[in-house]
Amino acid sequence: QQPVQSPQAVILREGEDAVINCSSSKALYSVHWYRQKHGEAPVFLMILLKGGEQKGHEKISASFNEKKQQSSLYLTASQLSYSGTYFCGTPDQGAQKLVFGQGTRLTINP
Amino acid sequence: DTEVTQTPKHLVMGMTNKKSLKCEQHMGHRAMYWYKQKAKKPPELMFVYSYEKLSINESVPSRFSPECPNSSLLNLHLHALQPEDSALYLCASSQEGGVFNEQFFGPGTRLTVL
Repeated sequence: QQPVQSPQAVILREGEDAVINCSSSKALYSVHWYRQKHGEAPVFLMILLKGGEQKGHEKISASFNEKKQQSSLYLTASQLSYSGTYFCGTPDQGAQKLVFGQGTRLTINP
Repeated sequence: DTEVTQTPKHLVMGMTNKKSLKCEQHMGHRAMYWYKQKAKKPPELMFVYSYEKLSINESVPSRFSPECPNSSLLNLHLHALQPEDSALYLCASSQEGGVFNEQFFGPGTRLTVL
């Protein structure tokens, strides 16, 4: 079942903060976050695992609430390069594959 | 080398043509994926190969035929496609299958079916 992301779109000025949410109706073992710029491939941002472990390589933070089956991605002091569509991915089919949310389009203006 | 490469970048084909998409990774990853992405939509999983064996087929029509010749290569053979199959086809790889490893995506092949 597809996770639900909110908001669907957000427009910010450079330097402002953004929060993108991802909710699932199923128990979460992990949550993946990816960013896709227009015309490019999705790029891995972060993975959050049950038990609190996080793996990521960008200056972006995220939270994972297993009880609420939710994750939030925090983008602080946004830069122009943060523009793009953000997808969360959650497990499906006995944790064998990822299903992506519908995406959140983030636009950062100077 | 932390790159997934895909060829060709663009492909235009008729409904009676046979063509193939190619994907390659040299990261030693044991899981490889094909996704289909329509404009303004998320990637949709088509196939997963784990240790060179097909582990997931998302009920994809038989006009799409995946092949994994070795652990670094993944092909998608196309035959008798329909115009609605026009999309961006993304290949990805991860260290292992499942949902605990990040996926690395290739740049995609933009396919147009006339």
